[in-house]
Amino acid sequence: LAKTTQPISMDSYEGQEVNITCSHNNIATNDYITWYQQFPSQGPRFIIQGYKTKVTNEVASLFIPADRKSSTLSLPRVSLSDTAVYYCLVGDRGSGNTGKLIFGQGTTLQVKP
Amino acid sequence: KAGVTQTPRYLIKTRGQQVTLSCSPISGHRSVSWYQQTPGQGLQFLFEYFSETQRNKGNFPGRFSGRQFSNSRSEMNVSTLELGDSALYLCASSPRSGDGYTFGSGTRLTVV
Repeated sequence: LAKTTQPISMDSYEGQEVNITCSHNNIATNDYITWYQQFPSQGPRFIIQGYKTKVTNEVASLFIPADRKSSTLSLPRVSLSDTAVYYCLVGDRGSGNTGKLIFGQGTTLQVKP
Repeated sequence: KAGVTQTPRYLIKTRGQQVTLSCSPISGHRSVSWYQQTPGQGLQFLFEYFSETQRNKGNFPGRFSGRQFSNSRSEMNVSTLELGDSALYLCASSPRSGDGYTFGSGTRLTVV
């Protein structure tokens, strides 16, 4: 599975848009990009997944450039409750994946009032 | 629908003892994975079970083992506990291997 690199921490203020970028230079053709959110003493929670271009759901957007070597998670108008660790994962979602998710160190987002 | 249920939520054990943790996946999910989370090592993959068969295993000693039952419920066992085994143990389930993982809230194990 491709290795990912994210900033260790980020600070933001309530109401701002937050963009977290993840680098995955060795991404393979069959790999998807998935983002998880984790609060203290809880399991990670799926946020969004994409393969290319742009994906949007009710909580976030995911931007993936044409070369797919990086991706950006965009959180619109963050609130204090968005303070959490965000993980970027890259892996094959197809039949070849045996269910082993590789988590990096993640990005700790601190939202301030 | 009910999420992934892990029991117990908290556990304190003494060094040298063994422990069994339980995970009930979302109904219909056949894949169950286990992870260990510590402040120093982060989230690390332990193993995955699919239809009662272990499909993949992480780099953990043989003291860590698991199994899956016909109803997809899974247990993991840690024998001869060490202080370093203190961690949050997370279980995740998926309808099929490789996609759509939902995590439980974990079991916080403290070894004293």
